[in-house]
Amino acid sequence: DAGITQSPRHKVTETGTPVTLRCHQTENHRYMYWYRQDPGHGLRLIHYSYGVKDTDKGEVSDGYSVSRSKTEDFLLTLESATSSQTSVYFCAISGAHEQFFGPGTRLTVL
Amino acid sequence: KQEVTQIPAALSVPEGENLVLNCSFTDSAIYNLQWFRQDPGKGLTSLLLIQSSQREQTSGRLNASLDKSSGRSTLYIAASQPGDSATYLCAVPTSGTYKYIFGTGTRLKVLA
Repeated sequence: DAGITQSPRHKVTETGTPVTLRCHQTENHRYMYWYRQDPGHGLRLIHYSYGVKDTDKGEVSDGYSVSRSKTEDFLLTLESATSSQTSVYFCAISGAHEQFFGPGTRLTVL
Repeated sequence: KQEVTQIPAALSVPEGENLVLNCSFTDSAIYNLQWFRQDPGKGLTSLLLIQSSQREQTSGRLNASLDKSSGRSTLYIAASQPGDSATYLCAVPTSGTYKYIFGTGTRLKVLA
């Protein structure tokens, strides 16, 4: 399995609080992705990174920001969490084509 | 805009059957297509990656084909087993980018 970890694995927070999720890889892959998965919507891209400090928006980027200050870490921040951001968040990495996924973070916003 | 459809949404078959899962996409200008498996409560596991220059990829009892001109890919599972029960998803990149669009998956149940 590709070396990808996500932290925390579970989090419960309250509306309006900031939340940061971390994705860490040991594969030295160039591309990193944040997705959310919701019933009825499947997997949707939030943001992705194509290198250190290089990021781009996905289809559901509103309310989220990302940062990548080094190759191995990709952070996803919810500036002010809302109940609609309750979801399972997956990080993925890719060297060029094949994507490998982390175990996911279950986030509940009350 | 790239759209990905997977039919059927759910499938239940007896053990031992050969089966085909379908993935359709609207923009044929793709450079690859990837099939994944997801078990309940788990992350996605990569099954097969097909490059645009390939027509098929095989791994064990799995065979994936790609027809770019018709915007279709199929995942063939031979001699299905209860352990194959999972949700199967396909993903394709949007044109000219490394952003991927996923289908909503086919939920497979193989009955013993």
